[in-house]
Amino acid sequence: DAKTTQPPSMDCAEGRAANLPCNHSTISGNEYVYWYRQIHSQGPQYIIHGLKNNETNEMASLIITEDRKSSTLILPHATLRDTAVYYCIVMSNQGGKLIFGQGTELSVKP
Amino acid sequence: GAVVSQHPSWVICKSGTSVKIECRSLDFQATTMFWYRQFPKQSLMLMATSNEGSKATYEQGVEKDKFLINHASLTLSTLTVTSAHPEDSSFYICSAAGSTYSGNTIYFGEGSWLTVV
Repeated sequence: DAKTTQPPSMDCAEGRAANLPCNHSTISGNEYVYWYRQIHSQGPQYIIHGLKNNETNEMASLIITEDRKSSTLILPHATLRDTAVYYCIVMSNQGGKLIFGQGTELSVKP
Repeated sequence: GAVVSQHPSWVICKSGTSVKIECRSLDFQATTMFWYRQFPKQSLMLMATSNEGSKATYEQGVEKDKFLINHASLTLSTLTVTSAHPEDSSFYICSAAGSTYSGNTIYFGEGSWLTVV
């Protein structure tokens, strides 16, 4: 079973920041938080991952709480092309076996 | 960045026939690949773990004799759906794990649509 909880859907206005929350209260010390997104009828796209420090790349920022029980993915300036299902997954950095939950369906509106 | 490629992107086959889907890691060696299935409006479901040079590990409820997996090289895994039936129609996706410049990031293929008629 997936170890994360996400809201099923969210809306965001184009140009605004999209903040997608994820709860992972049972995360283990060696488990990373990974974020992927899936645009309709395509394979999942890697966004970002982190262990305990906040991370930023060209796509997004990942904020992980100090107790590591939750995190937030931030898309700083959402565009219509960011409309997708976003998956938050916790996984040990050994192996690569990702178990997907239901994700959050983000709709970016003009 | 790392790229995982699947072929074919879509395939239509007759009921009772077998169909093979390929998953290739294009610029890194993948000792482990994973196969997923996704039905419309649902999340990805892990089917099996494909290990180079050894037998695949199947998730509970997945028939290993129906979904044959072969991982003969460090860049290629194949999934063969044997004696396909309409209920096997689905979106099949692979992923590959390997050390790249980004660390141990897992990359996904574009997916393969299978329609059994």
